[in-house]
Amino acid sequence: DAKTTQPPSMDCAEGRAANLPCNHSTISGNEYVYWYRQIHSQGPQYIIHGLKNNETNEMASLIITEDRKSSTLILPHATLRDTAVYYCIVRVADRGTYKYIFGTGTRLKVLA
Amino acid sequence: EAGVAQSPRYKIIEKRQSVAFWCNPISGHATLYWYQQILGQGPKLLIQFQNNGVVDDSQLPKDRFSAERLKGVDSTLKIQPAKLEDSAVYLCASSFSSRASGRNFQETQYFGPGTRLLVL
Repeated sequence: DAKTTQPPSMDCAEGRAANLPCNHSTISGNEYVYWYRQIHSQGPQYIIHGLKNNETNEMASLIITEDRKSSTLILPHATLRDTAVYYCIVRVADRGTYKYIFGTGTRLKVLA
Repeated sequence: EAGVAQSPRYKIIEKRQSVAFWCNPISGHATLYWYQQILGQGPKLLIQFQNNGVVDDSQLPKDRFSAERLKGVDSTLKIQPAKLEDSAVYLCASSFSSRASGRNFQETQYFGPGTRLLVL
């Protein structure tokens, strides 16, 4: 089972910041949080990942709470092309390797 | 750099037929994954390879699904015979792997565009 819970859908106005929440209350100390997005008919696209500290790259920012039980992905200026399903994933260690367990994600619709 | 390549992009078959999907990972990526994504759900891992060895195939329905990565580079996933419930997108992903302090580390996974299978 997925170790994350996300709202099924969200809307955001074009040009505004999109804040996508994720709960991962059972995360272990060495498990990373990854975010991917999937635009219709494409494979998942990597966005960002983090362990404890907040992270920022050219696509987004990731804010992880101090207790690591939740995180927020921030798209600072959403565009119509950001409409996609966003997956928050905890990378788990399993039998000497690492795996992603995807949930059902958040369907973000950016509105003109 | 080139991304993960998959073919075909679309396939329509009748139930009980056989089908095969091909994946070429990013150059230098030792770890390769096959996922199944049913409509409306997140991807589910079917099998994971490290070079040409299977690391995890616990979720692979072995009575009808098989996968191989003979030379540790590209891989094929086969379904024989197909069932209606196999209709899904089959995604291939790859990641760079390193080893430190006696442990394996897999880096970020990068996904291909997927193969959309429809079983009639």
